[in-house]
Amino acid sequence: DSGVTQTPKHLITATGQRVTLRCSPRSGDLSVYWYQQSLDQGLQFLIQYYNGEERAKGNILERFSAQQFPDLHSELNLSSLELGDSALYFCASSVDLLVFSTDTQYFGPGTRLTVL
Amino acid sequence: DAKTTQPPSMDCAEGRAANLPCNHSTISGNEYVYWYRQIHSQGPQYIIHGLKNNETNEMASLIITEDRKSSTLILPHATLRDTAVYYCIVRPRGGTSYGKLTFGQGTILTVHP
Repeated sequence: DSGVTQTPKHLITATGQRVTLRCSPRSGDLSVYWYQQSLDQGLQFLIQYYNGEERAKGNILERFSAQQFPDLHSELNLSSLELGDSALYFCASSVDLLVFSTDTQYFGPGTRLTVL
Repeated sequence: DAKTTQPPSMDCAEGRAANLPCNHSTISGNEYVYWYRQIHSQGPQYIIHGLKNNETNEMASLIITEDRKSSTLILPHATLRDTAVYYCIVRPRGGTSYGKLTFGQGTILTVHP
């Protein structure tokens, strides 16, 4: 158990819909990362937040957005869903990007999204 | 970020050492080598990381060549539960791309009874 929690574990929805995935980082971790894993693209970095602010962006679609709240939990919002958005979505957290040069990311169990 | 090359698959007998190679010939001086594994669609699990010295923890050992162009992850006594995809990742120590982990295809390690 990494200490990172994600809800829900599974999500089934229809095309065009909007969903929200939730992530609670490990206690004390300030950075949250989101990754998408699909069969054809592998594991890809989407976005990172540090202490409530966006820190880095990866291959995140404009239909997707994220935020990190004052209690440090994060949500990934996916809208206008398409069949190709079906994937595993992982959240990871780490202690402090700026202070520790060997900042290890710990991953949650993921949310499996199925778009029908 | 430096790219990594790993064999697509490897086999290992249970109880034997599993040696997983990784080539990162374009690695730069400020980049670390990280290893993660993913067991059957679970979240990736951190294993070990290093800069230039060999490292060992309760899970594995990491051997980095002197020129830092390649490394080997060693699982000293592989068990069936070590069957997973193993990812070798090169990650900068700082800069704007510090945060993200760039996963390649990894090596599928299968441990046989």
